[in-house]
Amino acid sequence: AQTVTQSQPEMSVQEAETVTLSCTYDTSENNYYLFWYKQPPSRQMILVIRQEAYKQQNATENRFSVNFQKAAKSFSLKISDSQLGDTAMYFCALRPGAGSYQLTFGKGTKLSVIP
Amino acid sequence: DTGVSQDPRHKITKRGQNVTFRCDPISEHNRLYWYRQTLGQGPEFLTYFQNEAQLEKSRLLSDRFSAERPKGSFSTLEIQRTEQGDSAMYLCASSDSPGTANEQFFGPGTRLTVL
Repeated sequence: AQTVTQSQPEMSVQEAETVTLSCTYDTSENNYYLFWYKQPPSRQMILVIRQEAYKQQNATENRFSVNFQKAAKSFSLKISDSQLGDTAMYFCALRPGAGSYQLTFGKGTKLSVIP
Repeated sequence: DTGVSQDPRHKITKRGQNVTFRCDPISEHNRLYWYRQTLGQGPEFLTYFQNEAQLEKSRLLSDRFSAERPKGSFSTLEIQRTEQGDSAMYLCASSDSPGTANEQFFGPGTRLTVL
């Protein structure tokens, strides 16, 4: 069974500052995929960034980057130069590398960007 | 094409009634997923279709739940004899294939309230 744990229910950050959201996971698979999804208030979920477990290089997408520590089973999200539009729920998710397409999500972190 | 659509967006029903939700995926996507999200939780996987074949079902999908994708395009999720515990947001997502870490695109969800 796969599990995803997000230990920070809520976080806040000043506009233009940097914030890091934590995620740990457990899986018996050697190959898998990790994702961060953003769910703005009353809007649909969108993908922020993805990481393939067999790639050692950390993924980056503009202001968003991850710190992927495979041995520690840790996958944190760093948001640089935070903007008001970053205010949302952020979900960490895990998908096996083969045999299944289901995503296992954490409980989420509510991020508030303060002007 | 503007993305995954779901109908209705909100549904209020009385306990014991049957409800049906519809999901229209992105047109070229042959994979379709249903998730359920309760308040304060991340989405939980329910089921997955590749074209018209239902390939994965979660243990969460009790006998009262049934999902179909008859022509490999839109999908319906029916809940029979609804219970108060069925109150949740029902999310649909779609993705294309073949692929590895192919992104699941989510719809806006159908919020079900069972009175």
